[in-house]
Amino acid sequence: EPEVTQTPSHQVTQMGQEVILRCVPISNHLYFYWYRQILGQKVEFLVSFYNNEISEKSEIFDDQFSVERPDGSNFTLKIRSTKLEDSAMYFCASSDGRAGTSEQYFGPGTRLTVT
Amino acid sequence: AQSVTQLGSHVSVSEGALVLLRCNYSSSVPPYLFWYVQYPNQGLQLLLKYTTGATLVKGINGFEAEFKKSETSFHLTKPSAHMSDAAEYFCAVRPSGYALNFGKGTSLLVTP
Repeated sequence: EPEVTQTPSHQVTQMGQEVILRCVPISNHLYFYWYRQILGQKVEFLVSFYNNEISEKSEIFDDQFSVERPDGSNFTLKIRSTKLEDSAMYFCASSDGRAGTSEQYFGPGTRLTVT
Repeated sequence: AQSVTQLGSHVSVSEGALVLLRCNYSSSVPPYLFWYVQYPNQGLQLLLKYTTGATLVKGINGFEAEFKKSETSFHLTKPSAHMSDAAEYFCAVRPSGYALNFGKGTSLLVTP
């Protein structure tokens, strides 16, 4: 069964460093998403991406964040200068349609620890 | 904004007992509602969803949920818990855009 994969599973970085989290969505999906979950809190939407541009973003997704689809398979989230409060589990998801009924398939997540 | 509230961050049931995980939503328009499950070290997996039509929705692994507009609820149930059901369960609502708005999650513990 097709699945969303994410690398690395755990990333440790120092405050102020840039990190890139990588995702490989399901191959025939067209819509891509990033969510994050700070320990003990709910899963929060960050951004959605379609046709090589951001289609929706939350207020969390400020200028420190960017997303890119560098090739036909990868989807990345970049945090330019990490802060302690960026420590969280980051989930990538993809779907084949935009409609509210379309299922979003989630990856296993990358745990980001900022020290 | 549409949001969900999950009552009970931890629920413990005995194997074979009824599972009931509560979810209430706030929405000014008919919502799309979802339940996701997360097993340890895995991603979120869709259990079931309500969009339109029948208010009792059946999902995978024997779970079902009933959309009750009058109570603004979408509680998840399973008649008989199995040890393999132990996981984190998330209720979510999807407004008109792309984002899923999740509840805080309920951790289900199943005891022998």
